[in-house]
Amino acid sequence: QLQLQESGPGLVKPSETLSLTCTVSGVSISSSTSYWAWIRLPPGKGLEWIGNIYYTGGTAYNPSLKSRVTISVDRSKNQFSLSLNSVTAADTALYYCATIEDAMRSTSPIDSWGQGTLVTVSS
Amino acid sequence: SYVLAQPPSVSVAPGETARITCGGNNIASKSVHWYQLRPGQAPVLVISYDSGRPSGIPERFSGSNSGNTAALTITRVEAGDEADYYCQVWDSSIDRIFGGGTKLTVL
Repeated sequence: QLQLQESGPGLVKPSETLSLTCTVSGVSISSSTSYWAWIRLPPGKGLEWIGNIYYTGGTAYNPSLKSRVTISVDRSKNQFSLSLNSVTAADTALYYCATIEDAMRSTSPIDSWGQGTLVTVSS
Repeated sequence: SYVLAQPPSVSVAPGETARITCGGNNIASKSVHWYQLRPGQAPVLVISYDSGRPSGIPERFSGSNSGNTAALTITRVEAGDEADYYCQVWDSSIDRIFGGGTKLTVL
């Protein structure tokens, strides 16, 4: 059964880089036809799409974050990662990794999610 | 960019029916998905492609999409249904867009 687990620092200083990793178990990133995605939930606000990556390395990002975001995949570790630079307090959020199993359709749903990890931006 | 509007909150007594709406311009032309978020748990897809029910989701959960409004309906509401619910569509401007979320309170 597919499982996703986020990991990374819970506290990041302003202007620094937020780095998170999602470990995938139950399926190989390399053999999958899925997209691997990051989504966040700021406190008191709604869900925000960050972006996704295909196992070949192709990416798509939310235009509002595109200049600061990088999503990468490590097939040898069956992991994918999120890097968000120049963070501010507005980047404080619960960060989820997730998968979209049907990468062939842009309208497909987000099928599975991790439990999320809270990242606070503060000095 | 495309905007999805949800009521901030919906309250219902146990055993009653809850209806959570998601408004958007001609949303009927889009595929709408619904997610359930409970604190400390992984979000769950409860309705896909307007009215599809993924494996393991009770029949009490149903969806509809017409005109400018999509809706998630939960019949015979239980205490365990208390959660935040989000609608989501795909739009070329951002990729995946979410509504603002609705907190379902079971009285």
